[in-house]
Amino acid sequence: NAGVTQTPKFQVLKTGQSMTLQCAQDMNHEYMSWYRQDPGMGLRLIHYSVGAGITDQGEVPNGYNVSRSTTEDFPLRLLSAAPSQTSVYFCASSPRLGALGEKLFFGSGTQLSVL
Amino acid sequence: EDQVTQSPEALRLQEGESSSLNCSYTVSGLRGLFWYRQDPGKGPEFLFTLYSAGEEKEKERLKATLTKKESFLHITAPKPEDSATYLCAVQARSGGSNYKLTFGKGTLLTVNP
Repeated sequence: NAGVTQTPKFQVLKTGQSMTLQCAQDMNHEYMSWYRQDPGMGLRLIHYSVGAGITDQGEVPNGYNVSRSTTEDFPLRLLSAAPSQTSVYFCASSPRLGALGEKLFFGSGTQLSVL
Repeated sequence: EDQVTQSPEALRLQEGESSSLNCSYTVSGLRGLFWYRQDPGKGPEFLFTLYSAGEEKEKERLKATLTKKESFLHITAPKPEDSATYLCAVQARSGGSNYKLTFGKGTLLTVNP
């Protein structure tokens, strides 16, 4: 059982480059989300989706785009990378986060450096 | 705005030396409080969900408790393999907050043999 799969594990970009972080889950979860984790800060929500075709902004959405065309996939796009986007990115999914106490399942993360 | 504060930031214990981690929270109606464990280079792994004050949950050497203002993660007779960062998160009851968790910065626990 693969769970939540993120690719790539590591990525180095130059300022202004674009890229897509991939996230796929094989648990048929409705809810998917992207968090970033920076030293000395808690995990912060970037974008989330409650089902195919439905996305919404989290706490720190600027500079990132998402779409959800299938239940399984939830890619995160950086249109023009900036050094402030250097971080570790985690994708997480849940059967239905809005339900009482439903927990998140996390991927193993993508470490992104923007030079 | 929902807030989660974890203390201490780092804790170093000897094997077998019991202690507690603290998670203080402010939330507009608590739907759930979560504890996760995160090992270096990996994603957080779920430990517990607590729903209401007075609730307790246990798993091996870990016990989580909840009051109206804070949660404690008690570690009894820890082993080196308990070394990790422990994250606390809250989910609010109202509106769009149903769909997000607010995380604390975590407590880095090191257990020396």
